[in-house]
Amino acid sequence: TQLLEQSPQFLSIQEGENLTVYCNSSSVFSSLQWYRQEPGEGPVLLVTVVTGGEVKKLKRLTFQFGDARKDSSLHITAAQPGDTGLYLCAGAEAGNNRKLIWGLGTSLAVNP
Amino acid sequence: KAGVTQTPRYLIKTRGQQVTLSCSPISGHRSVSWYQQTPGQGLQFLFEYFSETQRNKGNFPGRFSGRQFSNSRSEMNVSTLELGDSALYLCASSLSGTEGEKLFFGSGTQLSVL
Repeated sequence: TQLLEQSPQFLSIQEGENLTVYCNSSSVFSSLQWYRQEPGEGPVLLVTVVTGGEVKKLKRLTFQFGDARKDSSLHITAAQPGDTGLYLCAGAEAGNNRKLIWGLGTSLAVNP
Repeated sequence: KAGVTQTPRYLIKTRGQQVTLSCSPISGHRSVSWYQQTPGQGLQFLFEYFSETQRNKGNFPGRFSGRQFSNSRSEMNVSTLELGDSALYLCASSLSGTEGEKLFFGSGTQLSVL
């Protein structure tokens, strides 16, 4: 069974700090997605990374896909309270990009 | 464009009852997936429908079923509810592209089984 492990599970930081969260697997994915979910809402897609080594930036968020397409990281610069939420990664199985494998998420709290 | 709409937002049921949840996808999206989300298990895939046909199915018992209508709206049904069915049920409509499936989630239905 493919698994995606996310770390840390919980993170509480002060506004302005930088942070990195990780998404790791022993399996290769054809693509990997990052979502953010706020309390009482469904996840919202932030980015999809496809190519090994790819880096994508979304304002203060930087996403990287590992060279071997088995892992990914999300770095947030100067975190703000609006970044608070559950960050989920989901990998698409190689050869079947409709089947997503989900991590359990990193719950981030940014305190003002 | 209106987003994915799920109804109801909250439900309280008792063990043994059944429940039907509804999902209206984004206009033009033909694929609808259902997920169960709990704190301990995370997002777990229930099933996916495309053009009124179940295309994929997760590892849930037969008490969980779904269907899709010709207008792409979907319903899922859970019969003989158990306490462990308490969860957030999420529906997502999707769009296929060069980067794979992109899921657009509704706000979910929070089901509590007492």
